[in-house]
Amino acid sequence: TQLLEQSPQFLSIQEGENLTVYCNSSSVFSSLQWYRQEPGEGPVLLVTVVTGGEVKKLKRLTFQFGDARKDSSLHITAAQPGDTGLYLCAGIIVAGANNLFFGTGTRLTVIP
Amino acid sequence: DSGVTQTPKHLITATGQRVTLRCSPRSGDLSVYWYQQSLDQGLQFLIQYYNGEERAKGNILERFSAQQFPDLHSELNLSSLELGDSALYFCASSPTDRETYEQYFGPGTRLTVT
Repeated sequence: TQLLEQSPQFLSIQEGENLTVYCNSSSVFSSLQWYRQEPGEGPVLLVTVVTGGEVKKLKRLTFQFGDARKDSSLHITAAQPGDTGLYLCAGIIVAGANNLFFGTGTRLTVIP
Repeated sequence: DSGVTQTPKHLITATGQRVTLRCSPRSGDLSVYWYQQSLDQGLQFLIQYYNGEERAKGNILERFSAQQFPDLHSELNLSSLELGDSALYFCASSPTDRETYEQYFGPGTRLTVT
């Protein structure tokens, strides 16, 4: 059982559509990060959220940390083919060791 | 380019063998983390070193070991290799060992055990 469950696992959409990826857990996190990974490369950090209820925007990407700090979402507006990749959420558990637990991942394909 | 380097990029070896993966963190980063990524297990934390000392352990097998040297580079040693050890191995670095908000990943080493 993974600590962080992401949904959906796979997502294939047309260019210009909007989408939301969810990251859920029963554990409380002191901070949560989103990464994007492309084939053959390491994950690249997109954003870090640390406060419950926090919303951060990165161009067409909007990240939200749940009020209880147990979940997060990533919303992409007007998706583009360049958004294609594996999206991973990762969190540090409150009162745990300071290592990241990664989510199960969402593989996004944006079709031109 | 994250500034984290890993060598080799690809490694093919036979069962029962031993290999060493190398990682150089970003300049100034004191923490090094090792992760294993396989298709069925996702990205799994193995071990963390901070300024030469082991700081946290995750799902690391007893056949695996790591160390961080005075110049802060790190090596991950995998021994008695099994087919199931085939995976991508990533190294990441961050400036500190506490409040690790950001980790920067290297390009990975793809290990294939035949």
